[in-house]
Amino acid sequence: ETGVTQSPTHLIKTRGQQVTLRCSSQSGHNTVSWYQQALGQGPQFIFQYYREEENGRGNFPPRFSGLQFPNYSSELNVNALELDDSALYLCASATTSGGQNNEQFFGPGTRLTVL
Amino acid sequence: SQKIEQNSEALNIQEGKTATLTCNYTNYSPAYLQWYRQDPGRGPVFLLLIRENEKEKRKERLKVTFDTTLKQSLFHITASQPADSATYLCALRLAASSGGSYIPTFGRGTSLIVHP
Repeated sequence: ETGVTQSPTHLIKTRGQQVTLRCSSQSGHNTVSWYQQALGQGPQFIFQYYREEENGRGNFPPRFSGLQFPNYSSELNVNALELDDSALYLCASATTSGGQNNEQFFGPGTRLTVL
Repeated sequence: SQKIEQNSEALNIQEGKTATLTCNYTNYSPAYLQWYRQDPGRGPVFLLLIRENEKEKRKERLKVTFDTTLKQSLFHITASQPADSATYLCALRLAASSGGSYIPTFGRGTSLIVHP
């Protein structure tokens, strides 16, 4: 186990709804990244937070937003859900020092189904 | 456009043999490349990292090579075991920009099945 936890494990929503996914980073980690993994695909980078500031973003629309809290836990919010948002959402924590990320530790993911 | 390619077909091998997985990329100049293992319904687990100035890295039964001329990484598992059956992902990381941000990019992964 990596020490990174995510909640909930599974979630079912309908189109147009909003969802909040949560991640608790491994102790001592100051960086969290969120990924979307569709079935049969690799994880796609959504964004990264370092010390509560967004520090990099992939090719995802603004309805994907996030927060990182002082205790380094994090949230991913998705508004106006679409069917294609159905996927496994992964968070990964790491330490960043000297501008360099170290090894990422992934959580088990949240399986989101949009009907 | 930038692409990372991993063989989408599953690799089936017999226990005890060496498994070799391939990761090819185009239009990238990665600072380093990582390999992860992912089991069904679980998050990826980091295995090895190799930097652009390294040719080879080893860890127990695992070996990774990185050829920046061919734009290819090979991942080897020697003396494979049924417990090694999983999906293996490669991921590229570009050098951090002055702002400190970058985008890590994963391949789709290759499924390895080791038969007893």
